[in-house]
Amino acid sequence: DAKTTQPPSMDCAEGRAANLPCNHSTISGNEYVYWYRQIHSQGPQYIIHGLKNNETNEMASLIITEDRKSSTLILPHATLRDTAVYYCIVKKVGSNYKLTFGKGTLLTVNP
Amino acid sequence: EAQVTQNPRYLITVTGKKLTVTCSQNMNHEYMSWYRQDPGLGLRQIYYSMNVEVTDKGDVPEGYKVSRKEKRNFPLILESPSPNQTSLYFCASSEAGGQGYEQYFGPGTRLTVT
Repeated sequence: DAKTTQPPSMDCAEGRAANLPCNHSTISGNEYVYWYRQIHSQGPQYIIHGLKNNETNEMASLIITEDRKSSTLILPHATLRDTAVYYCIVKKVGSNYKLTFGKGTLLTVNP
Repeated sequence: EAQVTQNPRYLITVTGKKLTVTCSQNMNHEYMSWYRQDPGLGLRQIYYSMNVEVTDKGDVPEGYKVSRKEKRNFPLILESPSPNQTSLYFCASSEAGGQGYEQYFGPGTRLTVT
């Protein structure tokens, strides 16, 4: 699976959009980009995933650049409960029995 | 409600006393996994199972056993726990197949071995 690079921490004001970047310059054509988050010591929670098109669900939007070498997770209206570690993971199609977690980005949403 | 459950949630035990952490999912998922999470090391996979009676080692399998006799259950067994197995453990499950299916995680089991 391709390596990912994320900033170690970010801050965001409550109610504003949180934009979390991820670099995955060695991604292959058959690899998905996944985002998970982990709120303090709870089980990781799936947020969204995409292959090459932008995706949106009730939690977030995922913007993948045209060359697929980077992506951005957008939380449109961050709340205090969105404070968590966010993990960007790249994984091959069909290998969804295992996730390789890096260090992620600690997003702190401030009042 | 779709969920992965783990029991117990907290456990303090002594070195060498066999223990089992149970994991159950109600989503009819083929894939199940166990991870451990340690400060500075992140989440690491211990074992995984791709279906009933099919299990394989993950990245850190030493000191652990698993079994998958039923699709819904995937217990983690520590035959002779040691202090270096003190950790936060997560069970996860997922559908199989070529699509980008998500993993569902349990709430975690915090194990302390003294």
